[in-house]
Amino acid sequence: QVQLVQSGPEVRKPGASVKVSCTASGYIFANFGITWVRQAPGQGLEWMGWVSPSNGDTNYAQKFRDRVSMTADTSTGTAYMELRTLTSDDSAIYYCARETDNEAAGPATFDYWGQGSLVTVSS
Amino acid sequence: DIQMTQSPSSLSASVGDRVTITCRASQTISKYLNWYQQKPGKAPKLLIYSASNFQSGVPSRFSGRGSGTDFTLTINSLQPEDFATYYCQQSYITPYTFGQGTKLEIK
Repeated sequence: QVQLVQSGPEVRKPGASVKVSCTASGYIFANFGITWVRQAPGQGLEWMGWVSPSNGDTNYAQKFRDRVSMTADTSTGTAYMELRTLTSDDSAIYYCARETDNEAAGPATFDYWGQGSLVTVSS
Repeated sequence: DIQMTQSPSSLSASVGDRVTITCRASQTISKYLNWYQQKPGKAPKLLIYSASNFQSGVPSRFSGRGSGTDFTLTINSLQPEDFATYYCQQSYITPYTFGQGTKLEIK
């Protein structure tokens, strides 16, 4: 069965960086895009960007473009999201999600999600 | 960016009720609208894609309609497990924006 397992909680100081991992199993990792979505405490969902594991192509939301990097390692089936220059506003749960292979769905339809990784930014 | 506006923001209903949640896009998104359900402490779960198509395993009491800018999610005969927060999301163009969520609570 398809699973996305994310790394554990992280605490960082303002100005630092964090790197969250998402390890996939149960499908051919290279064949499906991975998206990252975050959710601040008590807030809604925010799309951050996308990475193609097959060729490394990325597409980032303008808001994060200057300080985010999304990568994927097909040898380990793991996607990574690194966010730099953290502020308290970056405290959130970060989710990875797989894009569906259903051709009837739009390009950004997310059918499997990781369990989420809590990132806390505090001095 | 396309703004997605859901209404209502919260809703109280009873088991067995029928409820409808509305999602409006700030510009046309054709049929590229998805609905997700999120329960506390859990990741979102895909319910409906492309406005009206069921994700595998989703009960038939859930239905979606709409195109262009106006969309609805209807839940017939509410079950206890349906009390959650629901999000719409446009998959038409980046950034792929979500609505602010509709919290469905037990009356």
